[in-house]
Amino acid sequence: GENVEQHPSTLSVQEGDSAVIKCTYSDSASNYFPWYKQELGKGPQLIIDIRSNVGEKKDQRIAVTLNKTAKHFSLHITETQPEDSAVYFCAATVNYQLIWGAGTKLIIKP
Amino acid sequence: EAQVTQNPRYLITVTGKKLTVTCSQNMNHEYMSWYRQDPGLGLRQIYYSMNVEVTDKGDVPEGYKVSRKEKRNFPLILESPSPNQTSLYFCASRTPGSNYGYTFGSGTRLTVV
Repeated sequence: GENVEQHPSTLSVQEGDSAVIKCTYSDSASNYFPWYKQELGKGPQLIIDIRSNVGEKKDQRIAVTLNKTAKHFSLHITETQPEDSAVYFCAATVNYQLIWGAGTKLIIKP
Repeated sequence: EAQVTQNPRYLITVTGKKLTVTCSQNMNHEYMSWYRQDPGLGLRQIYYSMNVEVTDKGDVPEGYKVSRKEKRNFPLILESPSPNQTSLYFCASRTPGSNYGYTFGSGTRLTVV
């Protein structure tokens, strides 16, 4: 079955710098890759997603890239701000079922 | 406001005492799902339901039961809770046939002593 690996488990960056979180997947049939942000005490919220027929997608300060050949996708956050501090999850979808990465705790240092 | 509502938010119980965590959504979604979240393991699916009276096991169904008698409600039942079920639980719903649009509840932190 599908397996999603996410790295790093914790990422600490200076406010204003960029942050990159990487995920790899195993099932080449996966065709949809969402990213969720989980703030303390809340459930995950979708922040950006990408389909397998697209290589890159941007939404203001966040972007996601997908390399189907290598089976990896990444979340890029530029000009990080304190409100970006959260746990981020990647996921891959096979037959409408989400397979989740283990999560990355992003810490923004002032 | 479109939302998924879980209750209770926090629960401490003793081993073997049956409990139910309720989940309700107001978006008329047909698909609903339960996850548990444990440190270092991410989100693991317990059960899901494609529609009323249709439920299926996820990755970690042992020790849990669910029911889907109405579209809006999807309760999670622990008949005989054990300490290894201490976890953070999330209910989620989405539009069927769609990869996206998952809406999560705020979570239920369960401690079994």
